[in-house]
Amino acid sequence: SQTIHQWPATLVQPVGSPLSLECTVEGTSNPNLYWYRQAAGRGLQLLFYSVGIGQISSEVPQNLSASRPQDRQFILSSKKLLLSDSGFYLCAWESGQPRAFFGQGTRLTVV
Amino acid sequence: SQQGEEDPQALSIQEGENATMNCSYKTSINNLQWYRQNSGRGLVHLILIRSNEREKHSGRLRVTLDTSKKSSSLLITASRAADTASYFCATRPAGAGSYQLTFGKGTKLSVIP
Repeated sequence: SQTIHQWPATLVQPVGSPLSLECTVEGTSNPNLYWYRQAAGRGLQLLFYSVGIGQISSEVPQNLSASRPQDRQFILSSKKLLLSDSGFYLCAWESGQPRAFFGQGTRLTVV
Repeated sequence: SQQGEEDPQALSIQEGENATMNCSYKTSINNLQWYRQNSGRGLVHLILIRSNEREKHSGRLRVTLDTSKKSSSLLITASRAADTASYFCATRPAGAGSYQLTFGKGTKLSVIP
């Protein structure tokens, strides 16, 4: 069966520090992969999506970047975090059917 | 940019009552999906309705779609305390090469026992 792993669950980072959030998918191949950010009590903002290895589309210009070094691995990064990068980050995948499966999320607090 | 907009933003009802949430979207779509999110967790897919369907049922869920008005509604019948969660609609623009799956701001449903 397909599963998605997203870690860490919580993270507290100082302003100006780097960031690396990782998401891996098991049990499927060539999935579409997504990174979303959710501010407290708000909707989901699509940050990046990828339809294949090395193919990254950015929806919102910002302090973040994404990479897909392997078929089922999606990484969200930042060189220098800002206070405004705080939020709940969600990774999702879909493959073959229009139905997304989400990880459990990472709550990032930039202090 | 966010494609869908749900209303109301928040809804509080008594257990056993029905809950109706609405979603409006902007562009032509092939289908519309509804998701549920428990507080602090990932989203879970509930139901999908295709653009050529007007109504769909799944258990206590009833979804309608009006493509002429670019709107959808989610009805939860006989609500339970366990239905307390946020509900989001999600759409993707119709057409080849459209991969962006965008979500609305959600409706926060509270079901009071």
